[in-house]
Parts: sequence; structure tokens; C-alpha cells
Amino acid sequence: DAGVIQSPRHEVTEMGQEVTLRCKPISGHNSLFWYRQTMMRGLELLIYFNNNVPIDDSGMPEDRFSAKMPNASFSTLKIQPSEPRDSAVYFCASSLMAGKGTEAFFGQGTRLTVV
Amino acid sequence: DAKTTQPNSMESNEEEPVHLPCNHSTISGTDYIHWYRQLPSQGPEYVIHGLTSNVNNRMASLAIAEDRKSSTLILHRATLRDAAVYYCILRDYYNNAGNMLTFGGGTRLMVKP
Repeated sequence: DAGVIQSPRHEVTEMGQEVTLRCKPISGHNSLFWYRQTMMRGLELLIYFNNNVPIDDSGMPEDRFSAKMPNASFSTLKIQPSEPRDSAVYFCASSLMAGKGTEAFFGQGTRLTVV
Repeated sequence: DAKTTQPNSMESNEEEPVHLPCNHSTISGTDYIHWYRQLPSQGPEYVIHGLTSNVNNRMASLAIAEDRKSSTLILHRATLRDAAVYYCILRDYYNNAGNMLTFGGGTRLMVKP
């Protein structure tokens, strides 16, 4: 397996534009996590899916952020409209749940810059 | 919500052992202790995890206190490549809330040549 694949690796956009980040988890994994990392706030969990269902989205900063997981092999994180304070590295991770090889694997991240 | 406490930073000399402590006094019986690390400019990577017994793998060893309220990640011979932020996380796979992988501040390990 190629691991968790995120795209794009880098994104530069203007304030007010819509941004969509994509994640392909490892085949067979049933838990998926989206994180945001900044120097000031560290690694923040934004949302967590289990079996394609959002379980906890309490970390999503505001209504401008939304995440979907239409099937087991794809997830998106959308920011609309984007703002400069959204600039960060966004990571996606996947793992198995319930006691079988439960280490989480992270993608390479998407570095988002909003100007 | 079980949490962990780690020192902000530690320093080690190359080729010497490193002991990274973690306190988790509110751990529950079904919480597994996980360690991840994040190398510069990379995503976090899994290091090791355990429940009650000490664990060893090719990367590190995990020593778990008998009362499970603390644990120690042991790097047997630190190399410059081990310079990273190390995170200690509790994870309970058997319920949705506990299965969340939530990172704290971690310990920044600096390795001196």
C-alpha cells in the first residue's frame, strides 16, 4: 500500500477562495482523522470519522470548515471562504479501530497558504 | 477525557540512551498508551504502544509502571535522526470517543553530536 495519500502537497490561494484538501486513507482502515498544525497551536484534531461517519467534529474551528467522507477510500476537507489565519499544514491520518494493529498512519500533509 | 503530561523538552548526547517520561494519572483500564514522534517537516509517525506489559520493537522500548499511571519511552542509542517531538497519547479503541487520537504538546528531543 502506498500509505495515506494527501493532495495537493502545497496550496496557495487568495483570501475568500474555496479550498478543498483531499485524502485517500490506507485500504481497509476504518478510522480517519483530519488535523491542522501551526506553530502557535500545535497539532489540533479537527474531525474524526469512523466507518465513514463523522464521530467528533468539535475541533472544526467554525462553519467555514466542512469535511466529508463519501466512501471508505476518500475524504475531503473544505474551507469556504478561506482566510489568512487558515494558513497551516493539514494532515490526514487513518487507522484500524478496535484492537487490531491500531497504529495510525499519517499523510505527508498539505501546506496551505492563504494570502 | 484522559490526558498525558510530558516535559516540554529534553536534551541527549548522541549514542546515549534517552528516557522520555509521560504521566497519565487518570488512565482507564481500557486505555492503550501510544507514542508517536514527528520529525522536522514530516507528519507524525507511530513509534510504539502498550497496555500493561513492557514492549520492545526495532525503534524503541516502552516501560509501563505497574499502576499504569506513567510510562517511559526508551531510545537505547540516540542518533541525530531521533531529534523530533515525541508525543504520548492514550487511546481506547473500544469506544468512539476514546479512539480519537489527540495530541498534546509533546517533548522536543534535541540530540547533541
